[in-house]
Amino acid sequence: AQSVTQLGSHVSVSEGALVLLRCNYSSSVPPYLFWYVQYPNQGLQLLLKYTSAATLVKGINDFEAEFKKSETSFHLTKPSAHMSDAAEYFCAVSDNGRGAQKLVFGQGTRLTINP
Amino acid sequence: SAVISQKPSRDICQRGTSLTIQCQVDSQVTMMFWYRQQPGQSLTLIATANQGSEATYESGFVIDKFPISRPNLTFSTLTVSNMSPEDSSIYLCSVTVSGRAKNTQYFGPGTRLTVL
Repeated sequence: AQSVTQLGSHVSVSEGALVLLRCNYSSSVPPYLFWYVQYPNQGLQLLLKYTSAATLVKGINDFEAEFKKSETSFHLTKPSAHMSDAAEYFCAVSDNGRGAQKLVFGQGTRLTINP
Repeated sequence: SAVISQKPSRDICQRGTSLTIQCQVDSQVTMMFWYRQQPGQSLTLIATANQGSEATYESGFVIDKFPISRPNLTFSTLTVSNMSPEDSSIYLCSVTVSGRAKNTQYFGPGTRLTVL
């Protein structure tokens, strides 16, 4: 079975500061990993994904994440926070595409940006 | 990717009634899924909508409560039956597409349901 743990349900940073959102996964097969963002009253938007190619993945809006198999982690970072980054962020894991391709989500991290 | 629309975007319903949510995609997709997001919570998969056959439900979800149809490759419906206040949630459909992004799910805008 697959699972995702996001450390910190709420993260608050100052505008211009580094954003770090933590995600650890558990999977019995090589995983595919995703970060999604949800703005208030909206659906989920894909930020970036890891599907067994490069371990450092770049996404939209200057976000990036690094897959570390030894640490079973897929932390999301952004060098400089912007007010528009305030949202809920979800890390998710799926199988490697040969199975049902179901997504299992972490509990989410709410990111607040302080002016 | 794919452009996904859901109807209705939100609704307020009375206890004991049923609501059918529609998910329409602008292109043929391989897989369609339905998720529930309870207030302040993460997303939980309800079922995989299979084209031309019965949906595949996750543990804790049953067809009598959440009947699903998928008559073709671009359309699916989810019905929330005999609703109670505990069904108040956001319901989202997602799809996977063929090609290079085949393992990626794209989400619709969601349907915000409030049951009184």
